[in-house]
Amino acid sequence: KAGVTQTPRYLIKTRGQQVTLSCSPISGHRSVSWYQQTPGQGLQFLFEYFSETQRNKGNFPGRFSGRQFSNSRSEMNVSTLELGDSALYLCASSPRGGLTYEQYFGPGTRLTVT
Amino acid sequence: SQELEQSPQSLIVQEGKNLTINCTSSKTLYGLYWYKQKYGEGLIFLMMLQKGGEEKSHEKITAKLDEKKQQSSLHITASQPSHAGIYLCGADMRSNSGYALNFGKGTSLLVTP
Repeated sequence: KAGVTQTPRYLIKTRGQQVTLSCSPISGHRSVSWYQQTPGQGLQFLFEYFSETQRNKGNFPGRFSGRQFSNSRSEMNVSTLELGDSALYLCASSPRGGLTYEQYFGPGTRLTVT
Repeated sequence: SQELEQSPQSLIVQEGKNLTINCTSSKTLYGLYWYKQKYGEGLIFLMMLQKGGEEKSHEKITAKLDEKKQQSSLHITASQPSHAGIYLCGADMRSNSGYALNFGKGTSLLVTP
């Protein structure tokens, strides 16, 4: 099976712009979670989608949003970008959601905000 | 919110030496996950521990969950350069609003020849 894929791998944006990141989970996986990783804060949970519904959300401002499509692919959107949004954004998929199943991570999207 | 503390923050060991990384939780652990990350890349799942006292091994890596102490340890025997990377522990963090996987800040491991 193909692994989790994320596009694009690298992105440079300017403050104030918005950005959309995409994640394709492993075939058959219905849960997709998003994380932000920075040197200072480490890996932080953004939100999780399961069957097109957001099931849980981390402690991030409303500028961060996401959605999931019927084929389980997910997108994450960040509006009004700030310098502090520069980070590695990782998505992870798991078969059924919940944490009794391990999550499989994609390679990440490196976002740089200038 | 539940916090995970990892120690040490970084580690340099000589090839062939053993090492241990610790992960301590401020709250009860329902499930503990160990991941490895190559610098700037995604996370690779290593092991999942759910029961107190549980111990799992994969090749030269062994992880234990001491639920009473709210702590897990990852032990690498006879380290090799391929073991280098960042090791992260993640925990099942449950609340009234659902759950999330909360991570420690990672332990950076360098293995020298």
